[in-house]
Amino acid sequence: QVQLQESGPGLVKPSETLSLTCTVSGGSISRESYYWNWIRQPAGKGLEWIGRIYPTGNADYNPSLRSRVSISVGTSKNQFSLNLNSVTASDTAVYYCAREYVSFFVDGSGSYDYFDYWGQGTLVTVSS
Amino acid sequence: DIQMAQSPSSLSASVGDRVTITCRASQSISNYLSWYQQKPGKAPKVLIYAASSLQSGVPSRFSGRGSGTDFTLTISSLQPEDFATYYCQQTYTTLLTFGGGTKVEIK
Repeated sequence: QVQLQESGPGLVKPSETLSLTCTVSGGSISRESYYWNWIRQPAGKGLEWIGRIYPTGNADYNPSLRSRVSISVGTSKNQFSLNLNSVTASDTAVYYCAREYVSFFVDGSGSYDYFDYWGQGTLVTVSS
Repeated sequence: DIQMAQSPSSLSASVGDRVTITCRASQSISNYLSWYQQKPGKAPKVLIYAASSLQSGVPSRFSGRGSGTDFTLTISSLQPEDFATYYCQQTYTTLLTFGGGTKVEIK
């Protein structure tokens, strides 16, 4: 059974760097069928995609955060990490990591992808 | 980036009701559309992927339709455990985006 677990400080000071790690169990993050994502959700609001890392180690980011964010594979093989620098109060949110499953229809009609496993989420508050 | 407009933003319904939620993309996304259900304090859970494919383990009262820019999620007979917030998501472009959510409440 695949499980994802976010970890990191729950409180970050303004202008500092938010750093979170997602630990994946029950599956390898290097398999080609999966991308690894970070998503956040401010209290009472909707979901915002932050970015994802591919099995190649390349990453894509939300343009609204691109200048401040990086996602990388962790020092442990089955971890990936999020760094968001120069944080402000508007970065306060529940942060989720999620696995994106990528596959193809057997009839050749095309590909599909969706987030099939999520971590439980971790609340990060930006405050002095 | 592609904007995803969900409607309504909230609705009240009774157990047994048929409920339909709409998601409209600002440009064509083919069928790269997923639906998620989120309950308070929990992570979202996928219900539908590729616009109309039911995720394994999800009850058959959930169904999805659409292609291009217009999509719907239908719950054929609302159950007590279905009261939650529902989000659509497009994965057509590298910049993934979610709809604003639809909160389904008890009437």
